[in-house]
Amino acid sequence: GAGVSQTPSNKVTEKGKYVELRCDPISGHTALYWYRQSLGQGPEFLIYFQGTGAADDSGLPNDRFFAVRPEGSVSTLKIQRTERGDSAVYLCASSLMVGNTEAFFGQGTRLTVV
Amino acid sequence: SQQGEEDPQALSIQEGENATMNCSYKTSINNLQWYRQNSGRGLVHLILIRSNEREKHSGRLRVTLDTSKKSSSLLITASRAADTASYFCATDPGGSYIPTFGRGTSLIVHP
Repeated sequence: GAGVSQTPSNKVTEKGKYVELRCDPISGHTALYWYRQSLGQGPEFLIYFQGTGAADDSGLPNDRFFAVRPEGSVSTLKIQRTERGDSAVYLCASSLMVGNTEAFFGQGTRLTVV
Repeated sequence: SQQGEEDPQALSIQEGENATMNCSYKTSINNLQWYRQNSGRGLVHLILIRSNEREKHSGRLRVTLDTSKKSSSLLITASRAADTASYFCATDPGGSYIPTFGRGTSLIVHP
């Protein structure tokens, strides 16, 4: 596709439920990043993939958060037992390769936990 | 944790004026990127400047990088109302190649 695509654009879920957020990166981009952004803050790094493997997951806040990228393209961020504090915009970005290349962002998924 | 910090937090100017935003960071980097964000959703990439570069231009944008002071500036010349947005710098702390963001500068350009 022309850009990074994230679905759904909005997700409302009840506390305690499981959610999956999807990211389709730009075709051919090997690096993929997930971020979380709260109101008035900058994007907060969660996890980064190089190909299929999670090269750095140091930003995941706890073990309720997990992400996969099984074929080195589409990635899914999974959140178990959602809490109200998980409410935020979840952003995905991709770049051509690891290194001095630009990271391009999707429009994000706004997650609201009620 | 915050690596880059933008300054000022908020900037309000008149159309036609220049806008300057600054970014300071703490550790060594490979590159620094500037982004724009409207309405709290997707970030638009503006410019990437590498650690061995001192200045880059793109249209009305001028970015400088001073690695000795660990700082960068973004200059928008002849601002327009459409430039109203939040602007973020992203660095890769310790040469990690993972873009790490500050809290951003909120720019308002009055027509």
